[in-house]
Amino acid sequence: EAGVTQFPSHSVIEKGQTVTLRCDPISGHDNLYWYRRVMGKEIKFLLHFVKESKQDESGMPNNRFLAERTGGTYSTLKVQPAELEDSGVYFCASRRSGELFFGEGSRLTVL
Amino acid sequence: AQSVTQPDIHITVSEGASLELRCNYSYGATPYLFWYVQSPGQGLQLLLKYFSGDTLVQGIKGFEAEFKRSQSSFNLRKPSVHWSDAAEYFCAVGADNYGQNFVFGPGTRLSVLP
Repeated sequence: EAGVTQFPSHSVIEKGQTVTLRCDPISGHDNLYWYRRVMGKEIKFLLHFVKESKQDESGMPNNRFLAERTGGTYSTLKVQPAELEDSGVYFCASRRSGELFFGEGSRLTVL
Repeated sequence: AQSVTQPDIHITVSEGASLELRCNYSYGATPYLFWYVQSPGQGLQLLLKYFSGDTLVQGIKGFEAEFKRSQSSFNLRKPSVHWSDAAEYFCAVGADNYGQNFVFGPGTRLSVLP
């Protein structure tokens, strides 16, 4: 069984540019989560999808962040325009029976 | 609201020494508790989890953790640390249904001296 995959593994962009991060959950996992860890701080929840619907997006920092989950399969997280404080590692996870399975994360560096 | 604290930001131990990483949580019901590890350049990997039953749980890489309800703690232990254990360790708490979201502690960075 393939795990949660994230792309790209590392993205370096300039302030004001746009970046789109992608997450492919484990097949059949309806629940998909995005988290991020900024500047070595704690991992914080961004949002939760159940299939294609946003169940909880209370952690999204502002309207520069847009998450989608087309057809309830893979998900994308777009940052537009990116700011310096958006640098960090963005983790995606999918869930089954109370256990989260994480991807390796996408490291975003905004210069 | 649920919360997780990890009192130690950074711990340094010598290779072969024992290790205990502390985790305290606040949760209104019986929690699901987890320890994750993030090695340099890697993603988060689940070390072990507690849902119910035996309060001493065994995980991968020789780690174990003990759930103490009276102390709201879920400390991680390893009897003999290896250099490859140098990483960051995160305690997390979750609910027992799909609608809840996990809360992570701030992490403890472990350094291992040769």
